[in-house]
Amino acid sequence: DQQVKQNSPSLSVQEGRISILNCDYTNSMFDYFLWYKKYPAEGPTFLISISSIKDKNEDGRFTVFLNKSAKHLSLHIVPSQPGDSAVYFCAARKGGATNKLIFGTGTLLAVQP
Amino acid sequence: ETGVTQTPRHLVMGMTNKKSLKCEQHLGHNAMYWYKQSAKKPLELMFVYSLEERVENNSVPSRFSPECPNSSHLFLHLHTLQPEDSALYLCASSRAGQGNTEAFFGQGTRLTVV
Repeated sequence: DQQVKQNSPSLSVQEGRISILNCDYTNSMFDYFLWYKKYPAEGPTFLISISSIKDKNEDGRFTVFLNKSAKHLSLHIVPSQPGDSAVYFCAARKGGATNKLIFGTGTLLAVQP
Repeated sequence: ETGVTQTPRHLVMGMTNKKSLKCEQHLGHNAMYWYKQSAKKPLELMFVYSLEERVENNSVPSRFSPECPNSSHLFLHLHTLQPEDSALYLCASSRAGQGNTEAFFGQGTRLTVV
């Protein structure tokens, strides 16, 4: 049972345009959502997060939107740059002592120059 | 550099070997995690340690044995592995408890079982 789903395995975008990465979840007990970025041969790097009590969080070119009623979140990157090309993982946290994260399968973003 | 260091970066081992993966964090965190990343699968949580106590074991086979001697170090002892255990093994750490606390990952150990 996959609680966090990223249904698009890959996405290709032109440099300067908007990249939209999507994530769906099934567990309404998740209280915190995160996006991680991963380059080949490296570990995931934290990018941006959002609490379940908010619907938007913005950090520079990156904005995360949360729609709790639809159990859906998205990451917007504007403008997209070639250096953004990487695998993006959505993760959700169940509150508790350990803050363990449940990850999606990832979306490979390719930004074309 | 995320403050979480894993060694070795690459490991090739036979099915009868015994090896250990090491993880060290310098972030003052009190929770540590082992994740496994196989091709085309989500990152799978294997073990969780909070305050040096194992609080979660996600049905991981006994051929994987974690050890957390203190809050800064985490090991994954491997023995009699199978080829399907070949994957990227990632260590992470975080502050346990509530609040906006993301997990920081190491660069991973690429394990190949032959």
